Amino acid sequence: DGGITQSPKYLFRKEGQNVTLSCEQNLNHDAMYWYRQDPGQGLRLIYYSQIVNDFQKGDIAEGYSVSREKKESFPLTVTSAQKNPTAFYLCASRSADYGYTFGSGTRLTVV
Amino acid sequence: AQSVTQLDSQVPVFEEAPVELRCNYSSSVSVYLFWYVQYPNQGLQLLLKYLSGSTLVKGINGFEAEFNKSQTSFHLRKPSVHISDTAEYFCAVSPRRQKVTFGIGTKLQVIP
Repeated sequence: DGGITQSPKYLFRKEGQNVTLSCEQNLNHDAMYWYRQDPGQGLRLIYYSQIVNDFQKGDIAEGYSVSREKKESFPLTVTSAQKNPTAFYLCASRSADYGYTFGSGTRLTVV
Repeated sequence: AQSVTQLDSQVPVFEEAPVELRCNYSSSVSVYLFWYVQYPNQGLQLLLKYLSGSTLVKGINGFEAEFNKSQTSFHLRKPSVHISDTAEYFCAVSPRRQKVTFGIGTKLQVIP
């Protein structure tokens, strides 16, 4: 079945450390997205990419970076510049009718 | 820019009772509308969508929603809820060819 795979499911980060969250899709979708979810705040857009080798900042891009070297892959790096990274991170891709398919998420905790 | 307002942060309802989760939106252009469901520690799953045509949209798990253009609403309904419907529900709006904006979610608590 087609879908989105996020890994790892749980991730722990030490102060000053960069960590990378993986997102892979086999849906052949062009557009991919990264969201951050905090309790009571809904989903906030971090970065998005509408085509390979191109991406744009979302509403809360500071302290994050992405790459889109392959259509299937859209990894997110949480850098040491992100001062409050503890959150649930969701990757999504968009179909032609604008419906989103989400991965199962990565829960990042600072230790 | 568009916006989405989910009017209730939490909705408790007894099992087998009907439920309505409210969603209002604002946009200066025509939009696509969506409802998603999220179970604990999981991603979001598409329940239903309105793109055009009939204003009553049926989705998975017995849910339906009605698009009301004059009231700019897209409320989600189910005639009889089950314990397994306990989850968080997100309304979303997308002006055509633009990014989706999500509401902050409504937690549905089904009481046995």
